[in-house]
Amino acid sequence: DTTVKQNPRYKLARVGKPVNLICSQTMNHDTMYWYQKKPNQAPKLLLFYYDKILNREADTFEKFQSSRPNNSFCSLYIGSAGLEYSAMYLCASSRAGSQNTLYFGAGTRLSVL
Amino acid sequence: AQKVTQTQTSISVMEKTTVTMDCVYETQDSSYFLFWYKQTASGEIVFLIRQDSYKKENATVGHYSLNFQKPKSSIGLIITATQIEDSAVYFCAMREVRNNYAQGLTFGLGTRVSVFP
Repeated sequence: DTTVKQNPRYKLARVGKPVNLICSQTMNHDTMYWYQKKPNQAPKLLLFYYDKILNREADTFEKFQSSRPNNSFCSLYIGSAGLEYSAMYLCASSRAGSQNTLYFGAGTRLSVL
Repeated sequence: AQKVTQTQTSISVMEKTTVTMDCVYETQDSSYFLFWYKQTASGEIVFLIRQDSYKKENATVGHYSLNFQKPKSSIGLIITATQIEDSAVYFCAMREVRNNYAQGLTFGLGTRVSVFP
């Protein structure tokens, strides 16, 4: 089973309000990632957890938070949503090691109004 | 920093023919891994095939194969006997190692492939 599950599939948020997206995987992968995908753009890495160590990309450091209470679960938190946060958010997981592929969830489409 | 470039925005092909997509990359790493994914109409991103930089043989999985030209930093994807359901956006991606552990994938902008009957 190579399933990564994301909830919800669609989310509507108001400007200035917080947003929390959820991801889970049952493959016992030690690394979990969050990507942001906008139309006609490449998926952009926001952050990832290797085990319990959080790594955030420098240009999105202050915009996104995350938690990983256990190996299977990872969340993405936006403290105050802006219009520019409207995008598809993709969660992925993999085993450690550069050669290992990432398995992606179906994504959460976030619309900020 | 690494960079992945896909210059073809879109390609249209007839069913049962072969389509080739280009991808060039930049990296400082001596060892790296290259991946191709496709994004379906629903938005889901699916892994297709991987090439290890230290391997000279081109990877092949089903009707997907790669044209790896290391001196040119190029990793093309070839789909033979295309089917309607191969219509999708195809992303080239690279994995680097930093601080002795693997980072996430860096993606190109993608190439939209449309397969017509």
